[in-house]
Amino acid sequence: AQTVTQSQPEMSVQEAETVTLSCTYDTSESDYYLFWYKQPPSRQMILVIRQEAYKQQNATENRFSVNFQKAAKSFSLKISDSQLGDAAMYFCAYRNAYSGAGSYQLTFGKGTKLSVIP
Amino acid sequence: AAGVIQSPRHLIKEKRETATLKCYPIPRHDTVYWYQQGPGQDPQFLISFYEKMQSDKGSIPDRFSAQQFSDYHSELNMSSLELGDSALYFCASSSAGVSYEQYFGPGTRLTVT
Repeated sequence: AQTVTQSQPEMSVQEAETVTLSCTYDTSESDYYLFWYKQPPSRQMILVIRQEAYKQQNATENRFSVNFQKAAKSFSLKISDSQLGDAAMYFCAYRNAYSGAGSYQLTFGKGTKLSVIP
Repeated sequence: AAGVIQSPRHLIKEKRETATLKCYPIPRHDTVYWYQQGPGQDPQFLISFYEKMQSDKGSIPDRFSAQQFSDYHSELNMSSLELGDSALYFCASSSAGVSYEQYFGPGTRLTVT
């Protein structure tokens, strides 16, 4: 079974600064997908960014980028120019690429609560 | 763009009662997933359906059952409710043939008293 670990329960960042959230995972599969989801106080789950394991290039979405280290099974999220609206719980998630390897279900980490200081 | 719709948004039930949660996926999405998120917890996978057939099962109690209908909407039926069933229940949908992304609905907050 796959596991996802987020070792930082809480983090804080000054507005306009940069912060990096850590995530490690464990899998025996060679092909899979990784995601970062944002859950603001409204509790809505919002997809922030995704990474295909077969792609060496790190994904980027505006102020959000990832550092994907496949050999180290590490998938960190960098938020640049942090804004007050970035304050939320952030979940790292894993999904198999092929259903024959188990399931398409998402396996989540425990989350990191990000606070943004004005 | 249309999103995943869940109803009701809030539900209060007493112990041993029954609850039914509904999920309407994004149009043309053929796969539905159900997740349970307890207070301060990460979402846990319950069950999924692809083309109206159960495709996978996670940590879903035997008291719970679900199905996907011909119009692709899904219902999660929960019987003999327990206090520990109080949680946020998410439905997510995806299009198996196009995208691996799961789009989440706003969730149904179930409170069991």
